[in-house]
Amino acid sequence: GQQLNQSPQSMFIQEGEDVSMNCTSSSIFNTWLWYKQDPGEGPVLLIALYKAGELTSNGRLTAQFGITRKDSFLNISASIPSDVGIYFCAGRIQGAQKLVFGQGTRLTINP
Amino acid sequence: DAGVTQSPTHLIKTRGQQVTLRCSPKSGHDTVSWYQQALGQGPQFIFQYYEEEERQRGNFPDRFSGHQFPNYSSELNVNALLLGDSALYLCASSLLARTDTQYFGPGTRLTVL
Repeated sequence: GQQLNQSPQSMFIQEGEDVSMNCTSSSIFNTWLWYKQDPGEGPVLLIALYKAGELTSNGRLTAQFGITRKDSFLNISASIPSDVGIYFCAGRIQGAQKLVFGQGTRLTINP
Repeated sequence: DAGVTQSPTHLIKTRGQQVTLRCSPKSGHDTVSWYQQALGQGPQFIFQYYEEEERQRGNFPDRFSGHQFPNYSSELNVNALLLGDSALYLCASSLLARTDTQYFGPGTRLTVL
């Protein structure tokens, strides 16, 4: 089945630094989504991407839908303490109803 | 605008028992998907419901069943619980026309002893 490889698995950064994480797959996806999940909570949708090459921002967050449709990245600029959490990429292939998720990137910020 | 709600928040069951989890979709949404999230993993798709019918199913045994009601709310039933069924169960809602954009509820934490 489709799998998403998300990297890095974890990141330890200083407050104020920029963050970059990515997701790759051997399958072509029609949609890429990025979610953030806090402990004990459900994933919160951050950014949705629907077209190859699309670059979308949400405040300090920027995500891109790769040209090959097999990858996506998420950047966070000037990190702040509330950015701590687990970030998941998710994708949907054409004709499927389900989302396939990556394994997550755990972000820790040192004050 | 009401978001996705789930009940109960936490549940403890013993092996062999049956459990029912409930979900109310985001206002205006007509499609509900259920996911299982084991500790330290990403969510895994169980199934999706639209117009009270199951549209697609993931790799989960028949012990997992669901239902959608006319008001679009949904239930997830799990029979003959196993220890491995312990997980966070997430409900996600969307519009059929935009099923790729799913909004998640807070989840139900199920512990099987």
